[in-house]
Amino acid sequence: QKEVEQDPGPLSVPEGAIVSLNCTYSNSAFQYFMWYRQYSRKGPELLMYTYSSGNKEDGRFTAQVDKSSKYISLFIRDSQPSDSATYLCAMSGRLDSNYQLIWGAGTKLIIKP
Amino acid sequence: EPEVTQTPSHQVTQMGQEVILRCVPISNHLYFYWYRQILGQKVEFLVSFYNNEISEKSEIFDDQFSVERPDGSNFTLKIRSTKLEDSAMYFCASSQRDRGQGYTFGSGTRLTVV
Repeated sequence: QKEVEQDPGPLSVPEGAIVSLNCTYSNSAFQYFMWYRQYSRKGPELLMYTYSSGNKEDGRFTAQVDKSSKYISLFIRDSQPSDSATYLCAMSGRLDSNYQLIWGAGTKLIIKP
Repeated sequence: EPEVTQTPSHQVTQMGQEVILRCVPISNHLYFYWYRQILGQKVEFLVSFYNNEISEKSEIFDDQFSVERPDGSNFTLKIRSTKLEDSAMYFCASSQRDRGQGYTFGSGTRLTVV
C-alpha cells in the first residue's frame, strides 16, 4: 500500500493563528517525511523533512512524526498571509526495492489578514 | 541559492505533436526526476534518472515518453505524440541522494495540449 491521506481543505484561519496540517499513511516502510509548500503555478518547495519519529523545529514551523500512529503534522505559529499556499506532505521509503516518494493531495491554506 | 531551472514556463501544442521540456538541475546533484501534476490533482512521479540511465519509471511513463541528459547539464523530457490528457504541470527535480528528502523542484512547465 502506498496511500497517503491528506485533507484537501481549504483551511481558512485568521492571521496570527496556529495552523495544524496533517497526513496519515498506511505503509510502515516510510522512513523520510517531508512537507512542501506550493504557491499557485509554482513548483513544490521543501519546508521540512524528518527521518523516522520525532519533532523538528525551524522558525515558525514544527514538523512532528508519530510512526506508531502513522500520522505526521506540520504546525505553523504566528501565521501570516504570505503562508497562504498549498501544503503537501510527502514520504519515502524502500517500496518495491526502490525508494519512492509518495505524495499527499495537498491542503490549501488561506490566512486571512 | 542554487535552483532548478525549467523552460519554457508554458507550452501550448496541438494533439499529436512532439514536445520537449527542458530542465537544468543543480550542478552537483546526481539524481534527476520528472513529476507531473494535473490541475487539482496529486503530484505524480514519472521517472528518475541516475548515472545516465533511467533508474525507475511509473506506469504513466509509457513509450510516448523519453528522457535524456544530452550534454551533462540539461535534462529533457520528450513526449512523442501528445494527447489531451498530457495537459499538466511538469516539474523537474534534482537531489544529491535518492532517499526522497532534499529534492529541489523547478517552477514547472505548464503544458497545454489542444
